[in-house]
Amino acid sequence: DQQVKQNSPSLSVQEGRISILNCDYTNSMFDYFLWYKKYPAEGPTFLISISSIKDKNEDGRFTVFLNKSAKHLSLHIVPSQPGDSAVYFCAASFSGTYKYIFGTGTRLKVLA
Amino acid sequence: DVKVTQSSRYLVKRTGEKVFLECVQDMDHENMFWYRQDPGLGLRLIYFSYDVKMKEKGDIPEGYSVSREKKERFSLILESASTNQTSMYLCASSRTFSNQPQHFGDGTRLSIL
Repeated sequence: DQQVKQNSPSLSVQEGRISILNCDYTNSMFDYFLWYKKYPAEGPTFLISISSIKDKNEDGRFTVFLNKSAKHLSLHIVPSQPGDSAVYFCAASFSGTYKYIFGTGTRLKVLA
Repeated sequence: DVKVTQSSRYLVKRTGEKVFLECVQDMDHENMFWYRQDPGLGLRLIYFSYDVKMKEKGDIPEGYSVSREKKERFSLILESASTNQTSMYLCASSRTFSNQPQHFGDGTRLSIL
């Protein structure tokens, strides 16, 4: 049973436009969420996180939105750059635990 | 910067062999993790350790064991390698507090023939 789902395996976006990556979760007890970026032949790199007490967190070109009622989070990248081309994983956890549940990933391709 | 180093980038072993994957972190992190990444399945947790000599099973521990004799080092052991253990293996570490990002190594691509 996949508790964290990324339903779009891939996404292509033109350079300079907005990229929106989506993630759905099933367990309403999750209260901390992260996004990781992964280039080929490298390990995932932490990108941005959000706690369930917030509905938005920004870091430069990256913004994560959390909709708790819909059990949905999204990552917005504006403007998208070719260097953003990578696989993006969302992950969720419960407070007081060290474990994260990862989604299956979305491959983003930013076209120059 | 946190550095998580996995001893091999690529490894080819034969069915039935005992395989050791090594991971070292240099940030004095209490927690260490082993994942495998497979297409369409994302990252799945095999085992994690929250202290020296302490370990807990993750979601897919069957066929694996781990060892943590020193804080900085976490080893994953495939007791008798099988072809369905061909995968990308990722090691990660984090601080002991909850809501801490995990820092990953670059992975070991393991092929079992």
